[in-house]
Amino acid sequence: SQKIEQNSEALNIQEGKTATLTCNYTNYSPAYLQWYRQDPGRGPVFLLLIRENEKEKRKERLKVTFDTTLKQSLFHITASQPADSATYLCAPGNTGFQKLVFGTGTRLLVSP
Amino acid sequence: NAGVMQNPRHLVRRRGQEARLRCSPMKGHSHVYWYRQLPEEGLKFMVYLQKENIIDESGMPKERFSAEFPKEGPSILRIQQVVRGDSAAYFCASSPNGQGGEAFFGQGTRLTVV
Repeated sequence: SQKIEQNSEALNIQEGKTATLTCNYTNYSPAYLQWYRQDPGRGPVFLLLIRENEKEKRKERLKVTFDTTLKQSLFHITASQPADSATYLCAPGNTGFQKLVFGTGTRLLVSP
Repeated sequence: NAGVMQNPRHLVRRRGQEARLRCSPMKGHSHVYWYRQLPEEGLKFMVYLQKENIIDESGMPKERFSAEFPKEGPSILRIQQVVRGDSAAYFCASSPNGQGGEAFFGQGTRLTVV
């Protein structure tokens, strides 16, 4: 069955450092992969989408890579800030009326 | 341009009662997804609906749970004869065409069964 794995342990880093979060998937060939941010008590918010033919995507301090051979996506936040502290979710997907399924998320804590 | 609206935000039900959760998608969106999130756990897919159709209900419990998205009005997630284990946050998301891409989430309904 399809499996989406994110590191369940919280990632603690210092302000100003680069945070790197991992999303691995198995038994799946997604056409794209999305990353979302979720704050406590709130709904997830879309951050970035990367397609299978794109190796890398950037948006401000965010960078996402997508390696279809390794079946892995990496999500980087450069110059991290305490306001970046949240849970980050990945969601591989396909076109054509497919349900959107999320990984369990990784909690990021950025300390001043 | 209102986002996805869920109501109520908080709902308390006694065991055995019915819970009705409502979700109004973003304007122009005809695809709705429902998810359940237990404390400290991830989002679990429940059901995917298009107007008047259930596309995928593989995540829905076989009994007591139902969902609809009528031609007019919000999508409804209905839980009959609630039990304590149904206590969770229920989120809905909408997308314009179900062809992949960004989904927009509501703020969720927190159901507490006492």
